[in-house]
Amino acid sequence: DSGVTQTPKHLITATGQRVTLRCSPRSGDLSVYWYQQSLDQGLQFLIQYYNGEERAKGNILERFSAQQFPDLHSELNLSSLELGDSALYFCASSVGGASSYEQYFGPGTRLTVT
Amino acid sequence: AQSVAQPEDQVNVAEGNPLTVKCTYSVSGNPYLFWYVQYPNRGLQFLLKYITGDNLVKGSYGFEAEFNKSQTSFHLKKPSALVSDSALYFCAVRDAGIYNQGGKLIFGQGTELSVKP
Repeated sequence: DSGVTQTPKHLITATGQRVTLRCSPRSGDLSVYWYQQSLDQGLQFLIQYYNGEERAKGNILERFSAQQFPDLHSELNLSSLELGDSALYFCASSVGGASSYEQYFGPGTRLTVT
Repeated sequence: AQSVAQPEDQVNVAEGNPLTVKCTYSVSGNPYLFWYVQYPNRGLQFLLKYITGDNLVKGSYGFEAEFNKSQTSFHLKKPSALVSDSALYFCAVRDAGIYNQGGKLIFGQGTELSVKP
């Protein structure tokens, strides 16, 4: 168990809908990262937050947004869903300090868009 | 741009034999390199990292990795494979990011390791 929790585990929804994925980082970790894993794209970085502020953006669609709250949990919002958004979405966290190197991953949320 | 490549989609090994999963990298500056393992329907588990120091890095579950700067490689190894090692393995490099605030991981495409009894 990495200490990173994600809810829900599975999500099935229809095209055009909006969903929210939730992540709680390990205790003490300030950085939260979101990744998308799909068969055709592999593991892709989406966005990073550090102590409530956005720090880096990857190949994140404009239909997607995220935030990190004062208690450090994070939410990833996906809207106007398309079939191609079906994927496994991972959250990871790291300490965020000078010795912050490895990231610890949650179990993921499997999103299926029908 | 930083990148990693895993040249083999699949590696097949007999139980008890040594295993190697290959990874090459391309970075500007000093590389921060990682190996992760993913079991079916699970998240990624951290195995080991190279930041600086000894070229041979030891990690979890008996795995080790050899950093080779001249060949820009970071191959994952284990002296004696177990059937339970069968999983998807990812090599990753950490982007520089903002000092002290972490950086994104850039992953290879993954290598499926199959260990047969």
